[in-house]
Amino acid sequence: DAGVIQSPRHEVTEMGQEVTLRCKPISGHDYLFWYRQTMMRGLELLIYFNNNVPIDDSGMPEDRFSAKMPNASFSTLKIQPSEPRDSAVYFCASSLAGTGYEQYFGPGTRLTVT
Amino acid sequence: AQSVAQPEDQVNVAEGNPLTVKCTYSVSGNPYLFWYVQYPNRGLQFLLKYITGDNLVKGSYGFEAEFNKSQTSFHLKKPSALVSDSALYFCAVRPTGFQKLVFGTGTRLLVSP
Repeated sequence: DAGVIQSPRHEVTEMGQEVTLRCKPISGHDYLFWYRQTMMRGLELLIYFNNNVPIDDSGMPEDRFSAKMPNASFSTLKIQPSEPRDSAVYFCASSLAGTGYEQYFGPGTRLTVT
Repeated sequence: AQSVAQPEDQVNVAEGNPLTVKCTYSVSGNPYLFWYVQYPNRGLQFLLKYITGDNLVKGSYGFEAEFNKSQTSFHLKKPSALVSDSALYFCAVRPTGFQKLVFGTGTRLLVSP
């Protein structure tokens, strides 16, 4: 199994630009999670989906952030417009209901907004 | 509220010595507890979990964790630490009725040669 795939691995952009992060979950998994990790705030859950439907987006910091899951094998997290305080590592994780609830994480996307 | 606490920001241990990374939890109902490890520039890796059954849970890389209901703890342990165990360790709990996990703030483990 290829595991959770994220792209790009690194993204450097200027303030005000749109940023799109991509995630491919483990095949067959029905839950997908987006997290953000920073030194100051630690690991934060932004949003999660079940069967492509958003279940809880209470962690999304602002309207500048949006996430979609058009099908079972693809999700995006978009920031528009980006700001320097969005600089962080963004992780995607997936899990399968009924199997014990453990999540499997991707390698992350390191976002730097200048 | 359902939460986990990792009281130590960092744990230092010499190679070959036993290690313990502490975690306490607060959850209604039966706890589902997890440990993850994060190596530099990597995603979190699942180590082990407790759902029910034996209080001593064995996981990857020789790690184990002991569930203690009376002390609401789930400490991570290893009998003999390796330098390669140096990493960031996260404890997590599943809130009852949800698929999501609530993570602790992490504990950095440094194993010296």
